[in-house]
Amino acid sequence: QQQVKQSPQSLIVQKGGISIINCAYENTAFDYFPWYQQFPGKGPALLIAIRPDVSEKKEGRFTISFNKSAKQFSLHIMDSQPGDSATYFCAASMKAAGNKLTFGGGTRVLVKP
Amino acid sequence: DAGVIQSPRHEVTEMGQEVTLRCKPISGHNSLFWYRQTMMRGLELLIYFNNNVPIDDSGMPEDRFSAKMPNASFSTLKIQPSEPRDSAVYFCASRPDTGELFFGEGSRLTVL
Repeated sequence: QQQVKQSPQSLIVQKGGISIINCAYENTAFDYFPWYQQFPGKGPALLIAIRPDVSEKKEGRFTISFNKSAKQFSLHIMDSQPGDSATYFCAASMKAAGNKLTFGGGTRVLVKP
Repeated sequence: DAGVIQSPRHEVTEMGQEVTLRCKPISGHNSLFWYRQTMMRGLELLIYFNNNVPIDDSGMPEDRFSAKMPNASFSTLKIQPSEPRDSAVYFCASRPDTGELFFGEGSRLTVL
């Protein structure tokens, strides 16, 4: 049972463009929603995270938008750069379940120069 | 800090052989997780420990898989006997009580 669904599976964007990745979750008990970035041959690394008491969080060129009623959240990468080319994973966790993360399927982003 | 350290980084073995993957978490982190990553299934949580005690092993595929954490600075994931379908990248990750999850660089396993 896939509790966190991520789309699209892959994305190609021109340098300077906006990359948008969407995730939907099922369990309303989730209370922490991070995004991870993974480069080839490396482990995932935390990029940005949000809790459901806010609708948006911005860190540099990366923004999470959160819609609690729709049970959806998204990652926007503004002014995409070739160095942003990586696989991005959304995830969700809940304190009641020991904060263990459930990951989405991942989105491979390619930024063309 | 050196981060989460995994070994070996690459392992090629034949079906039926025993495989042992090792992990050294970040010092002071009291939770340790083992994940498996494949193209088909993405990142799957296999098992996690809190203060060296296994808390949830519901993601362990079957009895061929076992994990131990004998002390706060070491954990192993063992597959015996290994099968081709076990081929994947296995990640270890650690986390303090409240805070960010840090992943190691993974162990890429190929079972022929």
